[in-house]
Amino acid sequence: KAGVTQTPRYLIKTRGQQVTLSCSPISGHRSVSWYQQTPGQGLQFLFEYFSETQRNKGNFPGRFSGRQFSNSRSEMNVSTLELGDSALYLCASSRSGTPDTQYFGPGTRLTVL
Amino acid sequence: EDQVTQSPEALRLQEGESSSLNCSYTVSGLRGLFWYRQDPGKGPEFLFTLYSAGEEKEKERLKATLTKKESFLHITAPKPEDSATYLCAVANSGNTPLVFGKGTRLSVIA
Repeated sequence: KAGVTQTPRYLIKTRGQQVTLSCSPISGHRSVSWYQQTPGQGLQFLFEYFSETQRNKGNFPGRFSGRQFSNSRSEMNVSTLELGDSALYLCASSRSGTPDTQYFGPGTRLTVL
Repeated sequence: EDQVTQSPEALRLQEGESSSLNCSYTVSGLRGLFWYRQDPGKGPEFLFTLYSAGEEKEKERLKATLTKKESFLHITAPKPEDSATYLCAVANSGNTPLVFGKGTRLSVIA
């Protein structure tokens, strides 16, 4: 069974640009959660989607947005990039959300110059 | 507010030297406690889910246990390949996101 996949794996952008990251969950999983991970802050929850609806949202500015498609694939978008947005962005899928076990993808390493 | 505290922040062991990592939590109605292993630059790898106090799970050299206030990840006779950051997370009784601890960075020296 294929795991969670994320594309691209690495990304370099400059301040002010926008970026879109993609996540394909494990087959049969309907919940997708996004996290930002930095050395100082650890794993910070961004948002969760279930059946194309945003079910939870973390404390991030409106520049961070996401969506989920009917096949459960999800995308997140960051507009007007800032230097502080440099991080590892992780996607995790589960069958139906908390408290089901979440399985993580390999992450997208975003560097903002 | 739900909280997860992991200790120690970092742990250095000699190969074969057994030890335990701690995950203390306060949560409104625990529905699950999760352990993950994360290698540098990679996504967390699922290890265990524990649902109720007294539950134990084992996998190779790792054993996770759960009480009403904390969970332990026991590592028996560790090898250098066990070096990683170990993350703990909890799910509460509501439909809210997992709360993660900051992790314990384990180094096993040959």
